Amino acid sequence: GEKVEQHESTLSVREGDSAVINCTYTDTASSYFPWYKQEAGKSLHFVIDIRSNVDRKQSQRLIVLLDKKAKRFSLHITATQPEDSAIYFCAVDTNAYKVIFGKGTHLHVLP
Amino acid sequence: DMKVTQMPRYLIKRMGENVLLECGQDMSHETMYWYRQDPGLGLQLIYISYDVDSNSEGDIPKGYRVSRKKREHFSLILDSAKTNQTSVYFCASSLRIYSGNTLYFGEGSRLIVV
Repeated sequence: GEKVEQHESTLSVREGDSAVINCTYTDTASSYFPWYKQEAGKSLHFVIDIRSNVDRKQSQRLIVLLDKKAKRFSLHITATQPEDSAIYFCAVDTNAYKVIFGKGTHLHVLP
Repeated sequence: DMKVTQMPRYLIKRMGENVLLECGQDMSHETMYWYRQDPGLGLQLIYISYDVDSNSEGDIPKGYRVSRKKREHFSLILDSAKTNQTSVYFCASSLRIYSGNTLYFGEGSRLIVV
């Protein structure tokens, strides 16, 4: 079945710098790629998504890039702030309409 | 108010006991999910429900079963719990099964099996 690999398990950046989290997937038919954020001790909530008909989407300081040829998508967080510290999960909405998650990237924004 | 509610939030059970985790949503969402979260493993899909009495196995269904008798309610049942089922369980819902719907998560149920 579909697999999603999230490449960075931990990422530390200085406040104000950019953070990049990369994911790859296996099923070329996948068409929807959301990202979720989990703050310490809390549940997950949606932050941004991208569909396969575009290769870039931006929402304020969040940018998602999609490279369908490489089956890779990435989350860019610009001008990072302390409140960006969290676990970020990439996900893929599969052909079977199951949402499969990566293992998560723990982002630390250092002062 | 768009909300997914899980009960109980914390639970300690002995090995071999039965466990019932309950999830409710007030958004009339068709699709509901059960995931478990373990350190280093991310979220793993246990079961998905497309609507009342229409359930499908996820990636790790073994040792679990589900029940959905009302659209707003989805239960996860562990018959004879095992220590390796110690985990945090998340319920989620989405509007409908078609691709591209946002998942709304509950607060999680932390289960410890001793």
